[in-house]
Amino acid sequence: EPEVTQTPSHQVTQMGQEVILRCVPISNHLYFYWYRQILGQKVEFLVSFYNNEISEKSEIFDDQFSVERPDGSNFTLKIRSTKLEDSAMYFCASSEVGLRGLAEGGQYFGPGTRLTVT
Amino acid sequence: AQRVTQPEKLLSVFKGAPVELKCNYSYSGSPELFWYVQYSRQRLQLLLRHISRESIKGFTADLNKGETSFHLKKPFAQEEDSAMYYCALGGSNYKLTFGKGTLLTVNP
Repeated sequence: EPEVTQTPSHQVTQMGQEVILRCVPISNHLYFYWYRQILGQKVEFLVSFYNNEISEKSEIFDDQFSVERPDGSNFTLKIRSTKLEDSAMYFCASSEVGLRGLAEGGQYFGPGTRLTVT
Repeated sequence: AQRVTQPEKLLSVFKGAPVELKCNYSYSGSPELFWYVQYSRQRLQLLLRHISRESIKGFTADLNKGETSFHLKKPFAQEEDSAMYYCALGGSNYKLTFGKGTLLTVNP
């Protein structure tokens, strides 16, 4: 069964550094998402992406964040200048259709990247 | 605004006992509800979606629009059901709103 993959599984970086988290969505999926989960808190939506542009973003997704689909398979999340509070598990997800038809498929999640900012 | 409430942070039952994990939502439009499960050290996995009315691993969930609930039920819990369970709400925009999750422990 196809799965969403994410690399690296764990990233440690210093405050102020740039990080890029990578995801390979399921190949026939067209909608891509990033979520994050700070330790002990709920999973929070960051951004959704379709047709090479952002569909929606949350208030968390400020100018320090960006997403890109640099080729036909990868989907990346960049944090330009990391802060201590960016430490979290970051999940990538993909779905076959958008949310109007999401109930037919659902969003499928990767295993996550644990980002630790020191 | 979309909101999901899972009132129980922890739920502990014995093997063979019925289990119900509660989920209430707040949304003004037509909701799409999901249950996700996360076993220890594994990814979030889609367990159920309300539209399909299916039963997965013996779990069922019924959307009650009057009570704005989507409780997850299983008549006889198994030890392998021990996991974190998240209720999620999809609205008319492109995101899922998650509850805080319920950690289910099934004791032998």
